[in-house]
Amino acid sequence: EAGVVQSPRYKIIEKKQPVAFWCNPISGHNTLYWYRQNLGQGPELLIRYENEEAVDDSQLPKDRFSAERLKGVDSTLKIQPAELGDSAVYLCASSLVRREGYNEQFFGPGTRLTVL
Amino acid sequence: GNSVTQMEGPVTLSEEAFLTINCTYTATGYPSLFWYVQYPGEGLQLLLKATKADDKGSNKGFEATYRKETTSFHLEKGSVQVSDSAVYFCALSEAKNAGNNRKLIWGLGTSLAVNP
Repeated sequence: EAGVVQSPRYKIIEKKQPVAFWCNPISGHNTLYWYRQNLGQGPELLIRYENEEAVDDSQLPKDRFSAERLKGVDSTLKIQPAELGDSAVYLCASSLVRREGYNEQFFGPGTRLTVL
Repeated sequence: GNSVTQMEGPVTLSEEAFLTINCTYTATGYPSLFWYVQYPGEGLQLLLKATKADDKGSNKGFEATYRKETTSFHLEKGSVQVSDSAVYFCALSEAKNAGNNRKLIWGLGTSLAVNP
């Protein structure tokens, strides 16, 4: 079974430029997460989707970040314009959340963003 | 609110030494508990999990027991190898039926370096 796929793996851009990250979750997983991970820290949740609906975007900086999950499968996270402080690894994860189950998340390899 | 506290790193051990990484949590009800591992340059991987009190999760020689009375989930391995060098994250998922909020609460991570 294929895992969570992310692209690109690395991205270097100038500040004020736009950038987009793509995620393909594990087939059948209804919940998708975008995290940001700064060096030496744990993941910070940016947004969580259940199917097509963004159910938790409280930590997403909405002035410059946007995300979409069309058809409840793939997702795209965009930053426009990027700032120096956005340099981090952006992780996508997916899970199959059932009402009576626990939440085991499967992570992609991440996209390492460097803003110059 | 819910929280996870891990021992600070870095932890440096010689090969075949005994490893303990402490993790304690604060949560209402009966959360699920996880250890994730992040090898250099890679994404997060689930190492082991426990979903109820007194459960013992185990994988690749690592073990952790869900202790409700001490609210702990300490990670242990009897004999570490150089290949175990990585960052280890403790995390919890809220108790089932906790409504629509199913995000993982993460510790800050503990870096482990194993020397030959």
